[in-house]
Amino acid sequence: AQSVTQPDIHITVSEGASLELRCNYSYGATPYLFWYVQSPGQGLQLLLKYFSGDTLVQGIKGFEAEFKRSQSSFNLRKPSVHWSDAAEYFCAVGAKDNFNKFYFGSGTKLNVKP
Amino acid sequence: EAGVAQSPRYKIIEKRQSVAFWCNPISGHATLYWYQQILGQGPKLLIQFQNNGVVDDSQLPKDRFSAERLKGVDSTLKIQPAKLEDSAVYLCASSFGQLFYEQYFGPGTRLTVT
Repeated sequence: AQSVTQPDIHITVSEGASLELRCNYSYGATPYLFWYVQSPGQGLQLLLKYFSGDTLVQGIKGFEAEFKRSQSSFNLRKPSVHWSDAAEYFCAVGAKDNFNKFYFGSGTKLNVKP
Repeated sequence: EAGVAQSPRYKIIEKRQSVAFWCNPISGHATLYWYQQILGQGPKLLIQFQNNGVVDDSQLPKDRFSAERLKGVDSTLKIQPAKLEDSAVYLCASSFGQLFYEQYFGPGTRLTVT
């Protein structure tokens, strides 16, 4: 069965500091992996996705994520956080052979200190 | 381009009452999804429509939840009767094709059942 684990419920970082949000997945074959951001009162927005190829993927808003098959991880990173990055971040995994659904992690809420 | 519209944005009802949510997808998007997002959890797919046909409703509690997409455009999700555990944000998303990773999400409807 597919599953996604985001071990950090809340993270607080100072503005300008670097950020890494953790995501671990469980899936038997190569998954499709995604990161979404949800700002208060807003819908989910896709930050980036990984299907295959280069394991370091670039997304919008200066975010990147690295797929590490050996660790079953897809961590999200940003070198310098801005106050506007405060939001909730969701990792998701989809099955390459099942386009009908995918599974979200429980989310990590990011607070940014001035 | 206009995004996915949902209404109402907030709803408070008592248990055993009925409630309906409305979604207007992005123009031209054939696929429409309804998700339930309980506080502290990631979104869970309830139902997926392709035009006005149901593709997947395996996680829809059919004893109390129903959804329709007449004419393949707008959709309504109904809960009758509501239970306390139905308190959640109900997200609607749409995509041009059936590629779930191309979904655009609406802002959601926050339901509180008292």
